[in-house]
Amino acid sequence: NAGVTQTPKFRVLKTGQSMTLLCAQDMNHEYMYWYRQDPGMGLRLIHYSVGEGTTAKGEVPDGYNVSRLKKQNFLLGLESAAPSQTSVYFCASSGSGRASETQYFGPGTRLLVL
Amino acid sequence: KQEVTQIPAALSVPEGENLVLNCSFTDSAIYNLQWFRQDPGKGLTSLLLIQSSQREQTSGRLNASLDKSSGRSTLYIAASQPGDSATYLCAVRPFPNFGNEKLTFGTGTRLTIIP
Repeated sequence: NAGVTQTPKFRVLKTGQSMTLLCAQDMNHEYMYWYRQDPGMGLRLIHYSVGEGTTAKGEVPDGYNVSRLKKQNFLLGLESAAPSQTSVYFCASSGSGRASETQYFGPGTRLLVL
Repeated sequence: KQEVTQIPAALSVPEGENLVLNCSFTDSAIYNLQWFRQDPGKGLTSLLLIQSSQREQTSGRLNASLDKSSGRSTLYIAASQPGDSATYLCAVRPFPNFGNEKLTFGTGTRLTIIP
């Protein structure tokens, strides 16, 4: 039982390049989330999903797209990376209803955009 | 808009001391509050969750209290150990609404326990 895993762990991009971050969970959770963490700003929600095939915008969605084609996977895409997207990205998952109270986090992906 | 503040941003204490970490939030209409621990280069681990109807929760040497009316929570760590060194974050959740599971996080307090 690996919990929440994220791929890759670290990536360097040039401005304008694209990439996809993969989040996978093996807990059969309905809800999945993508956050970014920046110094002095705490974690901010980018996008989230309340079930397979659904996505919704969070607090800071601009410049990102997401897809939830399979229940266990949640992909975060950057179509044209910008230096402002340099950050640490965390994926989380939770059950639904009362079980959504506890979110389980992955280890993070550190992204540097030059 | 809910805002969560944690002061101080960093704290160093000698091993064995008891300590208190603070969390304040601007909108008292919360569903619950959580305290998380984050080790360097790692994800977040949930420590304690307090429902809005509760006043406190305890787990081992950790005790979290909640005063919803004043918008404050504290995390009390007893008999601190070097292994407690980490960043501690609090997060509040609004009342459930379909699809609205957004947590609002504080910026964290980086705790260092000096051996």
